[in-house]
Amino acid sequence: DVKVTQSSRYLVKRTGEKVFLECVQDMDHENMFWYRQDPGLGLRLIYFSYDVKMKEKGDIPEGYSVSREKKERFSLILESASTNQTSMYLCASSPQGLTRGYTFGSGTRLTVV
Amino acid sequence: AQSVTQPDIHITVSEGASLELRCNYSYGATPYLFWYVQSPGQGLQLLLKYFSGDTLVQGIKGFEAEFKRSQSSFNLRKPSVHWSDAAEYFCAVGGDSWGKLQFGAGTQVVVTP
Repeated sequence: DVKVTQSSRYLVKRTGEKVFLECVQDMDHENMFWYRQDPGLGLRLIYFSYDVKMKEKGDIPEGYSVSREKKERFSLILESASTNQTSMYLCASSPQGLTRGYTFGSGTRLTVV
Repeated sequence: AQSVTQPDIHITVSEGASLELRCNYSYGATPYLFWYVQSPGQGLQLLLKYFSGDTLVQGIKGFEAEFKRSQSSFNLRKPSVHWSDAAEYFCAVGGDSWGKLQFGAGTQVVVTP
């Protein structure tokens, strides 16, 4: 089975800090995604990547950036954390196309104080 | 643009009773449709998916879903729920060349004894 590992389950950071959320997948998937999950809003796409060093903005990219230097690793960066970025962050990966859907990590619950 | 509506935010069902979760989508072409389940504190797990062919699809944990093109719906059903089915359920639609999924806001299912 594909495994998607997010480095932290819980994080508490201060306003203005630079925050790195790491995601690693072990099945050579081309596509990787970062979503944030908020009650009543479902999952909203922040950024995705379809290849090493390639990235595309999702629906809510403001305040975030990403890095994909290796195929298996996709990092989400909060340049200057703010309280409205307190959320659950979910990483997912998939092969090209949608026939197999996504495999998700367990999520990182980030609190910005 | 693609979109997904899950009309029911919260459903309470008795153990052993049947369950139906509604999902309506908007998509310009033939969609790829998914149902995911999220247990408390966990990532999302794929229940089932539909691309083409038989409009009634079977998934894991005894769930099934029916694609109705005329109604733009993909409702999830289970004949007899178990206490372990208490979770949040997300419907998702996709199909563009990037392999992006649009998720609904989710339906929280509570199972009572």
